[in-house]
Amino acid sequence: DAGITQSPRHKVTETGTPVTLRCHQTENHRYMYWYRQDPGHGLRLIHYSYGVKDTDKGEVSDGYSVSRSKTEDFLLTLESATSSQTSVYFCAISDPGGADGYTFGSGTRLTVV
Amino acid sequence: QQQVKQSPQSLIVQKGGIPIINCAYENTAFDYFPWYQQFPGKGPALLIAIRPDVSEKKEGRFTISFNKSAKQFSLHIMDSQPGDSATYFCAASATGTASKLTFGTGTRLQVTL
Repeated sequence: DAGITQSPRHKVTETGTPVTLRCHQTENHRYMYWYRQDPGHGLRLIHYSYGVKDTDKGEVSDGYSVSRSKTEDFLLTLESATSSQTSVYFCAISDPGGADGYTFGSGTRLTVV
Repeated sequence: QQQVKQSPQSLIVQKGGIPIINCAYENTAFDYFPWYQQFPGKGPALLIAIRPDVSEKKEGRFTISFNKSAKQFSLHIMDSQPGDSATYFCAASATGTASKLTFGTGTRLQVTL
């Protein structure tokens, strides 16, 4: 999607290893979010950021950490990957008061074996 | 705790039919209700959104109906086409919460010829 890229697009990792997913935006939007998408659960918020170095937990934050050292980058780290973290991860951006809602990235499919 | 309940889980309609997807919410602080459309392998994209000061909003073939007293809102797709086959998510957010969206669990729509 224009203005927001996620990397990697696919990753297979072993249980117990740390994994970092990257979200990069070129829109200079203030807010950034990490969601996971699972069948039957829709999209659930993991963490979000409302500015550089300002982050907070979402509803499913256990086992995840985030960092935002620059406006354009928002990193999601799985500290010790578990099979329950196998999912599709989406990053999204938005601007306060913006009429365009969220812009989502194309997602990262993560498999923990 | 599921704050936005979406139904049905899946829906099959014939071309030209009018699929209706329903959502109900619990949090009375919610004041922004968007719908997102997602095609396989892609991130969700904003389709249409409504605020509670109006009861209906139309954009092309897509209409949101909103019932504030019942805490329900629905998406209607007029003259549905096979290209509308996708997964649809309703969502809600409250002012002052960094635009955090709470999503429904999604509806997989198939429009047949």
